[in-house]
Amino acid sequence: RKEVEQDPGPFNVPEGATVAFNCTYSNSASQSFFWYRQDCRKEPKLLMSVYSSGNEDGRFTAQLNRASQYISLLIRDSKLSDSATYLCVVNTASRLTFGEGTQLTVNP
Amino acid sequence: ETGVTQTPRHLVMGMTNKKSLKCEQHLGHNAMYWYKQSAKKPLELMFVYNFKEQTENNSVPSRFSPECPNSSHLFLHLHTLQPEDSALYLCASSQDAAKTGELFFGEGSRLTVL
Repeated sequence: RKEVEQDPGPFNVPEGATVAFNCTYSNSASQSFFWYRQDCRKEPKLLMSVYSSGNEDGRFTAQLNRASQYISLLIRDSKLSDSATYLCVVNTASRLTFGEGTQLTVNP
Repeated sequence: ETGVTQTPRHLVMGMTNKKSLKCEQHLGHNAMYWYKQSAKKPLELMFVYNFKEQTENNSVPSRFSPECPNSSHLFLHLHTLQPEDSALYLCASSQDAAKTGELFFGEGSRLTVL
């Protein structure tokens, strides 16, 4: 089983749509969780951390379910500029493990 | 200006060449990393340096040799590479490897081995 597994994608959605990405992790000892964004031919950048209580940053909402070892990212009212690959990242004993990423294309 | 700069951005080399990738961070961080990103695969951690000391070598072949002369600079020396080593090599930094939180990546060095 992969340490971090994401929806394979790709996702193609129209502008204004709501889209959700899912991620599962295998190690119950994992301590912290993140979503990174990587634009085409660019470097990954932190989008948001994921907290147990759930957290929101504008149109983006991240959720964590420790019991199910599951993380999600919800994007509301998607914009063309949201087109990118979204990487689920899990920190276990100070070691970050990246998922393969889920590609999102937002169409006009 | 990005906080982490990598040179060269693109590199083509033969299997018998020796080349080096350079990374410099301007963020005052104490930890630096090399990652490999191949198509359709997740980022693979290669090496970690914390306060100039190597703290992790993720079973990387010896044809990749890292060097960290100070907390701001990181090199990856390449020698007798294989075509399957062609990938995007990303350098990253963070405040401290023991408190891994946000990683700041450079734009990467895209390597092609012929």
